[in-house]
Amino acid sequence: DADVTQTPRNRITKTGKRIMLECSQTKGHDRMYWYRQDPGLGLRLIYYSFDVKDINKGEISDGYSVSRQAQAKFSLSLESAIPNQTALYFCATSDPGQTYGYTFGSGTRLTVV
Amino acid sequence: RKEVEQDPGPFNVPEGATVAFNCTYSNSASQSFFWYRQDCRKEPKLLMSVYSSGNEDGRFTAQLNRASQYISLLIRDSKLSDSATYLCAVNIRAAGNKLTFGGGTRVLVKP
Repeated sequence: DADVTQTPRNRITKTGKRIMLECSQTKGHDRMYWYRQDPGLGLRLIYYSFDVKDINKGEISDGYSVSRQAQAKFSLSLESAIPNQTALYFCATSDPGQTYGYTFGSGTRLTVV
Repeated sequence: RKEVEQDPGPFNVPEGATVAFNCTYSNSASQSFFWYRQDCRKEPKLLMSVYSSGNEDGRFTAQLNRASQYISLLIRDSKLSDSATYLCAVNIRAAGNKLTFGGGTRVLVKP
């Protein structure tokens, strides 16, 4: 099994719908992150969490919310999806010292029509 | 100015040749540096950390130049399988201890 698992792998949804992307990890890391990747814009941080009780906004949090249900689980929600949220979404984890950088999940390709 | 910048490329490299590219960062307080490899539509995977003294892993050599605020990646004896996008990542501990990624440099190795 992968260290960081994202579900679903692909999703097509309609404008205005609520959608949740899920991430679970077996690394035992406290720190978890959600990024989106768009062509030409690189990886942009949406939200991050340094432990279960700690949630922080990243650079592009508008239109998104998160829930840290447990150390191993970190979900990203789009409350009312819009087409410009079409992107590739990655979850990542790290140890506090980031000794080995981040470990990424395999991504969720989201299309909002 | 972006915090972490890379030449997007593509760098077209003949098989067997050497290619090198840089990543510049704007915050002098940056403390940890990494190179990631990303294949098309896949997740980034850690290629190597970048140490102050420079480090080598097989055909890959990473270097850090703090004075000029850049890191570099050199690939020797390029293989077709080295074709990918290479992302640099910089950690600024004082800024919340998160990685900031560059936009990536695309490398295409051709026969």
